[in-house]
Amino acid sequence: QVQLQESGPGLVKPSETLSLTCTVSGYSISSRYYWGWIRQRPGKGLEWIGTIYHSGSTYCNPSLKSRVTISVDTSKNQFSLNLSSVTAADTAVYYCARVMGWYSNWFDPWGQGTLVTVSS
Amino acid sequence: DIQMTQSPSSLSASVGDRVTITCQASQDINNYLNWYQQKPGKAPKLLIYDASNLERGVPSRFSGSGSGTDFTFTISSLQPEDIATYYCQQYDKVPSLTFGGGTKVEIK
Repeated sequence: QVQLQESGPGLVKPSETLSLTCTVSGYSISSRYYWGWIRQRPGKGLEWIGTIYHSGSTYCNPSLKSRVTISVDTSKNQFSLNLSSVTAADTAVYYCARVMGWYSNWFDPWGQGTLVTVSS
Repeated sequence: DIQMTQSPSSLSASVGDRVTITCQASQDINNYLNWYQQKPGKAPKLLIYDASNLERGVPSRFSGSGSGTDFTFTISSLQPEDIATYYCQQYDKVPSLTFGGGTKVEIK
């Protein structure tokens, strides 16, 4: 049974880079599927950030694309998110999730989420 | 960007009631529409994919229908454990993936 777990700093200063890692267990990330990041601002809805394939190819939300870098480390069975030049508006719970495929773009399962606060 | 409009934003119903949530897309998205359940303090959970396909292990009281721009999510008989916020999500124009604003379901 595949499980995902987000990790990273819970506090990031404005203008710095938010870095999170998602560790996948119970499945080899290099086998198939895509892997994605989604965030949820406090009390708000869900916002897709971006998705990566094990080959390294990515696609991102156009509204965040200029600040987002997603990478994969198949040797560690992990994928990562970097979001640069953060502001208070980037304060959110960040989730990682498996994406079933390019033509099956739904998220299942999800990690438990990690709260990242942007504040000085 | 494709906008997804969910309604209502919240609802209150009694145990055993039939609950219906709608999701309207700003343009035709075929049947590329998924539904998630998010309980308080928890991560979302996939319930239905491609408008009407029930994810494995999800109770049959949950169902979805629709195509094009108008979609419906139904709980045939509301149970106390169904208290959650429900989100639709479209993926017709990858890499444009967008979620609806959510519908909070409460027990009356």
